[in-house]
Amino acid sequence: QQQVKQSPQSLIVQKGGISIINCAYENTAFDYFPWYQQFPGKGPALLIAIRPDVSEKKEGRFTISFNKSAKQFSLHIMDSQPGDSATYFCAAYAYGAGSYQLTFGKGTKLSVIP
Amino acid sequence: DADVTQTPRNRITKTGKRIMLECSQTKGHDRMYWYRQDPGLGLQLIYYSFDVKDINKGEISDGYSVSRQAQAKFSLSLESAIPNQTALYFCAIATSGGSDTQYFGPGTRLTVL
Repeated sequence: QQQVKQSPQSLIVQKGGISIINCAYENTAFDYFPWYQQFPGKGPALLIAIRPDVSEKKEGRFTISFNKSAKQFSLHIMDSQPGDSATYFCAAYAYGAGSYQLTFGKGTKLSVIP
Repeated sequence: DADVTQTPRNRITKTGKRIMLECSQTKGHDRMYWYRQDPGLGLQLIYYSFDVKDINKGEISDGYSVSRQAQAKFSLSLESAIPNQTALYFCAIATSGGSDTQYFGPGTRLTVL
């Protein structure tokens, strides 16, 4: 059973455009939602994360929007650049429930074309 | 990546062979994880450990075993490798206090023929 559903599977965006990746979850025990970025040949690296007590978190060109009632969260990349081309994974964590396991979405391959 | 080292980086083996993937870290974090990555499937947790005496199964532990030899070392073994274990394997570390960030190693690409 997939606990975190991520879409789309792949995304092509023009340079300067906005990239949007969506995730949805079912488990209401999840209380920490990170996004990881992975470049080819590298391990995933934390990009940005949010807790459900806020609806939005922004770091530079990257923004997480969080809708607790809908159990959805999304990553927005503003002014997308070719260097943003990577695979992005959303994840969820039930930290408060004493679980130290990250549940990952299946990933979105982003290609930013010049 | 430099804080987490994985060896080997690439390995080709044959069906039925025993193989060990090794992970070591220099950050002194107590939590260590092994993940498997397949195209289109994301990252799936195989095993995780909170300290040397604590080993836990993840969602896909069948066919795998682990050993936490020391706080800094966590090994993944395939007792009898099969072709559908061909994948990219990642080790990750995290600290039990403060940040929930998991730091991933560079990965091991394993091919089972």
